[in-house]
Amino acid sequence: GAGVSQSPSNKVTEKGKDVELRCDPISGHTALYWYRQRLGQGLEFLIYFQGNSAPDKSGLPSDRFSAERTGESVSTLTIQRTQQEDSAVYLCASSLQGTHNEQFFGPGTRLTVL
Amino acid sequence: GQSLEQPSEVTAVEGAIVQINCTYQTSGFYGLSWYQQHDGGAPTFLSYNALDGLEETGRFSSFLSRSDSYGYLLLQELQMKDSASYFCAVRDMGRRALTFGSGTRLQVQP
Repeated sequence: GAGVSQSPSNKVTEKGKDVELRCDPISGHTALYWYRQRLGQGLEFLIYFQGNSAPDKSGLPSDRFSAERTGESVSTLTIQRTQQEDSAVYLCASSLQGTHNEQFFGPGTRLTVL
Repeated sequence: GQSLEQPSEVTAVEGAIVQINCTYQTSGFYGLSWYQQHDGGAPTFLSYNALDGLEETGRFSSFLSRSDSYGYLLLQELQMKDSASYFCAVRDMGRRALTFGSGTRLQVQP
């Protein structure tokens, strides 16, 4: 079956602009995660969605970052007033409920803020 | 919070065995996971240790010792395609997301 997909694959934007990143999880996966990976670094947790429960937003670095998820499908991560330090690869992952240790990652969106 | 330490780089030759260590500081967690990431690619799940001891999956094995706050990934019969970054990760009690180490870049040489 299809894996996790993300779009766009690359995004170049100017400082101060807003960007929206999209994630389509694996069908049937109720859990969805967003991570950020700076060059040569590990993954930093941003936000987690599980079904209709309130999302875990504890990893969002500032109020410029927000995310939404429609039911158990598509999610969008929005970064407002982008800064150069936002440049990174943004990775989305999904998992079956109860199997949070085995997450399936998408290919990521490489964001470059000029 | 958690802190996971891994060596930044490891080099080995084809056919050899390599061990990638992960030490952590966390008050409580469910288990230790390992992920592989090739350059420009997505992380892929390799293994998970919920309990102390060794888990074997083909050429890869993973070990956890909670009393020593230590785990490792063992790769046997190394192949060139094993050149990648390897991340250990833990999930804190009460959380769903993973906390990742900074990764170990493995270079396999002919």
